[in-house]
Amino acid sequence: EAGVTQFPSHSVIEKGQTVTLRCDPISGHDNLYWYRRVMGKEIKFLLHFVKESKQDESGMPNNRFLAERTGGTYSTLKVQPAELEDSGVYFCASSLDMNTEAFFGQGTRLTVV
Amino acid sequence: QKEVEQNSGPLSVPEGAIASLNCTYSDRGSQSFFWYRQYSGKSPELIMFIYSNGDKEDGRFTAQLNKASQYVSLLIRDSQPSDSATYLCAVGVSYGKLTFGQGTILTVHP
Repeated sequence: EAGVTQFPSHSVIEKGQTVTLRCDPISGHDNLYWYRRVMGKEIKFLLHFVKESKQDESGMPNNRFLAERTGGTYSTLKVQPAELEDSGVYFCASSLDMNTEAFFGQGTRLTVV
Repeated sequence: QKEVEQNSGPLSVPEGAIASLNCTYSDRGSQSFFWYRQYSGKSPELIMFIYSNGDKEDGRFTAQLNKASQYVSLLIRDSQPSDSATYLCAVGVSYGKLTFGQGTILTVHP
């Protein structure tokens, strides 16, 4: 069974550009989470989808970040326009329900220069 | 004060020794406590979870929870070089929305 897959694994973009990160959860997992780790800091929660609905987006840093999960399958996280402080590793996780283990993807390392 | 604090490490132990990793949390409403292991460049992997005060053992790993002291620990017995990784303490209400500590780097040397 495939795990949580994230694309791309690395992305280097210039300040002001747009980047879209993608997460493919484990098949059948209704719950999808985005997390981010910026340099030297802890992993922080960004938001939580249940199927296609945003259950909790309290961790989204500002309106330059837009997450979608159309159809309740894969999810995208768009950063527009990117700023230097957005650099970090973006993790996606998925779980069958809120009371079972969330499995993490390997992350997308985003570097904004 | 950080919500979840871990001893910063790095922690270095000889092979066969007990590695002790510690974590404190600030939110008394926290109900679920997790330890993740992350190898360099890999995804965090859940190794232990605990909900109730006391000890929980799984093979060479023991998680300990003391809600009164807001303290969680992970003991790794008979440490192996393959245990060398970053260990992340995470706290939450459920499995999904977690608050992580910064992680402790553990090195087990032969």
